[in-house]
Amino acid sequence: GAVVSQHPSRVICKSGTSVKIECRSLDFQATTMFWYRQFPKQSLMLMATSNEGSKATYEQGVEKDKFLINHASLTLSTLTVTSAHPEDSSFYICSASGTSGGDTQYFGPGTRLTVL
Amino acid sequence: DQQVKQNSPSLSVQEGRISILNCDYTNSMFDYFLWYKKYPAEGPTFLISISSIKDKNEDGRFTVFLNKSAKHLSLHIVPSQPGDSAVYFCAAVEGGSEKLVFGKGTKLTVNP
Repeated sequence: GAVVSQHPSRVICKSGTSVKIECRSLDFQATTMFWYRQFPKQSLMLMATSNEGSKATYEQGVEKDKFLINHASLTLSTLTVTSAHPEDSSFYICSASGTSGGDTQYFGPGTRLTVL
Repeated sequence: DQQVKQNSPSLSVQEGRISILNCDYTNSMFDYFLWYKKYPAEGPTFLISISSIKDKNEDGRFTVFLNKSAKHLSLHIVPSQPGDSAVYFCAAVEGGSEKLVFGKGTKLTVNP
């Protein structure tokens, strides 16, 4: 199946700093990438949808100025958590769907963010 | 308001037996359904999907059944193996959208 990678897998940062998470589709071109957040023992919460070359569409309640998303190419999307706070600590997962169509999203391995 | 519901938070079965994971939905505009498997601290892995024009889709040990009138789908795993132990998420997509709506997941434990 399609492979999606995320980097880093784990990051610890100080409160007030910014953290960038990369999501790459390794063997297919991803027209659309999605960013999710998972809280402990809860389902995945969609944060935003990004299409290559366009501004991301954020879900209600997600601060677009805090969670900056860039989808500069068909294989790379980045999520930057700006001025991180301890409540931003979470597991962030990206997914990608390809140019071949269909509704199957392929997920990255996730990034564990801990803000001290 | 939860549009996709997995009412059993956990399920335990014996190796070799059948595992049946259930999922209910409320949005009649959903026309595509997927099951994902997830291990702790990892991203979900796609398992199997079904379009609303079908009522069954089979792939190896995994079969998904869809009952549109009841707005219910189920994932059958047979025979169950210890390596199947994970959290299983049901997800649905509304026609014309790419957004996945997830259930809360069911933790499956397959005992040797």
